Amino acid sequence: GAVVSQHPSWVICKSGTSVKIECRSLDFQATTMFWYRQFPKQSLMLMATSNEGSKATYEQGVEKDKFLINHASLTLSTLTVTSAHPEDSSFYICSARGLLATPEAQYFGPGTRLLVL
Amino acid sequence: AQTVTQSQPEMSVQEAETVTLSCTYDTSESNYYLFWYKQPPSRQMILVIRQEAYKQQNATENRFSVNFQKAAKSFSLKISDSQLGDTAMYFCAFMRDSNYQLIWGAGTKLIIKP
Repeated sequence: GAVVSQHPSWVICKSGTSVKIECRSLDFQATTMFWYRQFPKQSLMLMATSNEGSKATYEQGVEKDKFLINHASLTLSTLTVTSAHPEDSSFYICSARGLLATPEAQYFGPGTRLLVL
Repeated sequence: AQTVTQSQPEMSVQEAETVTLSCTYDTSESNYYLFWYKQPPSRQMILVIRQEAYKQQNATENRFSVNFQKAAKSFSLKISDSQLGDTAMYFCAFMRDSNYQLIWGAGTKLIIKP
């Protein structure tokens, strides 16, 4: 149990376009979802924390108008990269925690590779 | 602020050997969790082992065990009888029990040689 999916798994887009990445908890209700960015050979960098039904909390240095996060339901959160540029190319990972017996448990999606040309 | 330090960027051992990955952290919190995650080439994050700070007993999961030294703020991972499938990046992470955010170490690249 406790599976998190991400869609798409990889995406290539042109500079200036917007890209939406979906994160779904398939078999549990995710009260909190976290969005990370990972550069090659580096660790995960937390971008934002989203709680269902409320605005996301962004980490310092992350542009909230650039990276729009929506957590409209207990099973779905979306990250939209607006007006994407080549420097936004990265690996984006979501994780979710929810109403489970182990509140500290986080379950990770498989990640989305974004390449902006 | 909490920090997590992994001082070994890369390690390499022969198959079947035992390897220990080090991790230290800094916090003033009394209640927290510590984790080791594995990230294979597929880049899917996989939980290896979890330790609750209030538990003195070291966590074990089959071939994986930790040496949790709370006073020294050390949390090392021991992999016994290493296998080729253990080749991956290993990340140590800290979590406060107040906001459940993970703070990550820089990672250790572990290579198991046949």
